[in-house]
Amino acid sequence: GAGVSQSPRYKVAKRGQDVALRCDPISGHVSLFWYQQALGQGPEFLTYFQNEAQLDKSGLPSDRFFAERPEGSVSTLKIQRTQQEDSAVYLCASSSRRLAPYNEQFFGPGTRLTVL
Amino acid sequence: ELKVEQNPLFLSMQEGKNYTIYCNYSTTSDRLYWYRQDPGKSLESLFVLLSNGAVKQEGRLMASLDTKARLSTLHITAAVHDLSATYFCAVSHNAGNMLTFGGGTRLMVKP
Repeated sequence: GAGVSQSPRYKVAKRGQDVALRCDPISGHVSLFWYQQALGQGPEFLTYFQNEAQLDKSGLPSDRFFAERPEGSVSTLKIQRTQQEDSAVYLCASSSRRLAPYNEQFFGPGTRLTVL
Repeated sequence: ELKVEQNPLFLSMQEGKNYTIYCNYSTTSDRLYWYRQDPGKSLESLFVLLSNGAVKQEGRLMASLDTKARLSTLHITAAVHDLSATYFCAVSHNAGNMLTFGGGTRLMVKP
């Protein structure tokens, strides 16, 4: 019964560094989502996986952002050549079709990224 | 493009008072969610509303949905300090179920 976990919880990067953020969804959850939450704002959608397939990446802000979920479980969000505007909390969520019609998304604790 | 707007953005209220938070969205959607977020924490699901006229209640919080008006409300009854948090509404798109969030309402309940 563990929930969604994310690591690291906090990451400080120098501008230009590459970072990788990990998400472990709830076991058996088919759908996985990444959101970006800037300070004082609501989360914004980045990308969505169903199993290993990335079905929607329309929210990724630039080609420096890349996400993968190769085995349909753990997902990694990678940001290359980080910029100060990338500073935010990155939230991962997972959901299961078995919860339909609610399709409720369960959120992880987030990774707070600070780019200096 | 789906837009979700909440108001007020900030709400300071006394314990024991009632108040309502409003959530408007711009296009048809099939599900509306309310979440709570404490400072430095993740999102906790409060309510899921599926159909027009849906009303759900949990403790001092009650959420309702009017799909014709594209409006949801979160009503707080006899507020207590423990309700202090930021509340977000979010609307899902049928395809993919991605959520579009409002900007949040930061609620502060004073003793």
